[in-house]
Parts: sequence; C-alpha cells; structure tokens
Amino acid sequence: DAGVTQSPTHLIKTRGQQVTLRCSPISGHKSVSWYQQVLGQGPQFIFQYYEKEERGRGNFPDRFSARQFPNYSSELNVNALLLGDSALYLCASSYGPGSMNTEAFFGQGTRLTVV
Amino acid sequence: AQRVTQPEKLLSVFKGAPVELKCNYSYSGSPELFWYVQYSRQRLQLLLRHISRESIKGFTADLNKGETSFHLKKPFAQEEDSAMYYCALSPAGTYKYIFGTGTRLKVLA
Repeated sequence: DAGVTQSPTHLIKTRGQQVTLRCSPISGHKSVSWYQQVLGQGPQFIFQYYEKEERGRGNFPDRFSARQFPNYSSELNVNALLLGDSALYLCASSYGPGSMNTEAFFGQGTRLTVV
Repeated sequence: AQRVTQPEKLLSVFKGAPVELKCNYSYSGSPELFWYVQYSRQRLQLLLRHISRESIKGFTADLNKGETSFHLKKPFAQEEDSAMYYCALSPAGTYKYIFGTGTRLKVLA
C-alpha cells in the first residue's frame, strides 16, 4: 500500500488563479480531511469528508471548496488565489466515524506557491 | 476556544538526557489527544494517543485534565528522536485535529 497519495507535489500559481489539489486515501479508508500548513505553524483544519458528504469545515473562506468521489478520493479547490494561500496542503485519510480507530494517515502534501 | 499550545519552538538536549515536550490544551469537554511526529523528509505520522496509554519508541504521554496538559516524555533521548513533534487535539464527536505549532527536538551527540 502506497499510503495516502497527493498530487501534484509542487505547484506555482499566479494571484487570482484557481487550483485543484488531489488526494487518494489508503485503501479501506472512507474519510478524507484537508489541512493547510503555513511555514512555522501546525496544520490547520480545512475540511473533512466522509462517504462523499462534508462532515466538518474549518475557518476558511468560501474560496475553498472540496468534494469526495465514490472511490473516496478527494479534491480541494481554491479560487481567486491570494499570496497568503501559499502553504503546504496536507491530506489525511482515516476509517471515519463509527470506527474505533481514529488514527489519521497523512500524505506528503502539495506545496502551493502563489506569486 | 479550542486551542493547543506548544510553548517551545526548539528543544535541544544531549543524547541520553531526559526529554519533555510540553503541550497544553484548551477545551471544555473530553478531548482525544495525540502526538504526531515528522522526521526529516518524511510525512507526518502518529506517535501515540492518550487513550492507548502505550509507550512508543520509549515515549510516553499522560493526560492531566487538571492542568489541561499532555506532555511527551522520554527518559533517555536518542539521536534518531530528532524530529518535529506536534501535539493535536480532536474534540469529541468531530473528526478533525487541532494542532499546536510544533516543537523541533534536536538530540545532540
């Protein structure tokens, strides 16, 4: 098992553009969460999806959106990019609600740079 | 407010010395608490969680509800313990983590 995979690994975008980040969870995991990690800070929760439904949302503007597909993979979209959106975006997968195992497994992240 | 505080950005100790990484949290209910570790060039991974009450790689952490703390301890540091350590809280009934800002542990030879 390759673990949680994210693509692309690095991305450079211009202010005002839109970006889509992708995440494939570990096989058997039905929940995907997204986090933003700005340099020098801990990861900050953006979204959680379980069984294709949004189960939690952090304090991020509506420019951020996400979805989960029937195969449990997920996409994070950010519109109208700002310089402050430059960060490492982490995806984490887990079994999800109802499981005694709450451990989240993280991907390597996508490094987004907005210029 | 739900918050995790790790007061030390950097902690340097000599090999064989005891280590304590501090973590305090702010949460009114019964949280689930975790320590995650990130070794150089590797992804974030779970080190231990308070409900397991286990020792991983010699590390232990005890939840102190009175002091709202979950400090990570190891009696004898090893060079391979050098890494970034994050304390995280998961509020009951949610499936999100609230992370602290992290502490970089450097174990010197």
